[in-house]
Amino acid sequence: GENVEQHPSTLSVQEGDSAVIKCTYSDSASNYFPWYKQELGKRPQLIIDIRSNVGEKKDQRIAVTLNKTAKHFSLHITETQPEDSAVYFCAAIHASGGSYIPTFGRGTSLIVHP
Amino acid sequence: DAGVIQSPRHEVTEMGQEVTLRCKPISGHDYLFWYRQTMMRGLELLIYFNNNVPIDDSGMPEDRFSAKMPNASFSTLKIQPSEPRDSAVYFCASSLMAGGTDTQYFGPGTRLTVL
Repeated sequence: GENVEQHPSTLSVQEGDSAVIKCTYSDSASNYFPWYKQELGKRPQLIIDIRSNVGEKKDQRIAVTLNKTAKHFSLHITETQPEDSAVYFCAAIHASGGSYIPTFGRGTSLIVHP
Repeated sequence: DAGVIQSPRHEVTEMGQEVTLRCKPISGHDYLFWYRQTMMRGLELLIYFNNNVPIDDSGMPEDRFSAKMPNASFSTLKIQPSEPRDSAVYFCASSLMAGGTDTQYFGPGTRLTVL
């Protein structure tokens, strides 16, 4: 089955710095890669996603890059703010013909110091 | 739309008791997922349904767990009998695949504590 490794497990940055979280996956059939943000005690919420036919996607301060050959994808947050502090999860999903098989990374706790 | 609704939000029970968690997906969504989240194991997919039919239950830990989706607007996850190691946050999520989008919307979760 799919295996998703996420690093680092904890990331501490100063407000205004950039933060990068990386994930690797094992199943070349995975074709959809969402990123979720989960604040303490809250539900995971989608912040950005990318499909296997795209190499990069950006939404304001957040961007995701995908390298299918190397089987890794990364989340980039620029100009971090204290409200960005949360746990971030990546996922690799094989979505095809009615089948949907998600595997999540273990999460990265991002702490943004004011 | 109110989003995905789960009940109860918190459940405390004693070992051996039956626990039933409930989920109402977003109206019109054709996929429904049940997840379990713990510090030790992270976020795990337990089972998912497509148009009320269970597609993959390989993540269900054992026979004590069962899930049903009698109609498009309601699903249950049942644990019988419950054990302390079942303590976790259980999330339900739904998505609309027919439109070509895979975005999952999570419910607020049920925090289960088995004493």
